[in-house]
Amino acid sequence: LAKTTQPISMDSYEGQEVNITCSHNNIATNDYITWYQQFPSQGPRFIIQGYKTKVTNEVASLFIPADRKSSTLSLPRVSLSDTAVYYCLVGEGTGRRALTFGSGTRLQVQP
Amino acid sequence: GAGVSQSPSNKVTEKGKDVELRCDPISGHTALYWYRQRLGQGLEFLIYFQGNSAPDKSGLPSDRFSAERTGESVSTLTIQRTQQEDSAVYLCASSLGRVNGETQYFGPGTRLLVL
Repeated sequence: LAKTTQPISMDSYEGQEVNITCSHNNIATNDYITWYQQFPSQGPRFIIQGYKTKVTNEVASLFIPADRKSSTLSLPRVSLSDTAVYYCLVGEGTGRRALTFGSGTRLQVQP
Repeated sequence: GAGVSQSPSNKVTEKGKDVELRCDPISGHTALYWYRQRLGQGLEFLIYFQGNSAPDKSGLPSDRFSAERTGESVSTLTIQRTQQEDSAVYLCASSLGRVNGETQYFGPGTRLLVL
C-alpha cells in the first residue's frame, strides 16, 4: 500500500496557478495516481488521473516524473470556487484499501 | 443519469442505539465502497463490495459495524450499540468495478451524530 504525503494547507489568490505536490515513494507498478476534490458537506469528486508523464483535462493538469515517486496537480487560474480539500490517492483503483484517502490539502483561495 | 444516493442525509441518535445507513449506487456499478470521515479528517476506508465476491471488510473498526449488499444494488451499513466516537460522515461510493484506476462516484454522505 503506497502511502501519500501532501501539504496540509495552501493559500492562493484568484487568477493564480496553484501546484499541489504529492509524494508517493512506494508506488507500485500497477498503481494509478488519482486526485479528488472535496467541497464542504459534499462527497469527494474525481478531478484527474494519470499513470505517467502529463495528463490534462478541462479542470487541471497532472505532472508525473519518470520515477513516479511524486506527482503535481496544477490548477490554472484558480477562482474562489476552487477552495476545497484536494486528495492525492495511489492505488489500483478497484477499491479495497488501495484507495486510502489521507488528510488532503486544504486550498484556500482569496479574492 | 442519477448519481449515488444515500439516506438519511442526517441522523441523530443516542448512545447505545443501533443505526442503519443506506446507499443506492449508480445502476450498473458492480463495486461499492463505504468510507467514514470524521470532522476535519480524510476518508477512512470501511468495506468494499465487488459483484458476488466476498466483501473486503478489513477496514471495519469493530464488530459493531457490519454491511450488506444485495446483488449489485442497495447496500446497508449497520452500526450497533453506537458510541459517541462513531459520530462522523459516512460516505458511499460506487464504480464500474471493471478496470484498474477507474473513478469512484461518491454520494452526499450521511451525517451521524451520536449523543
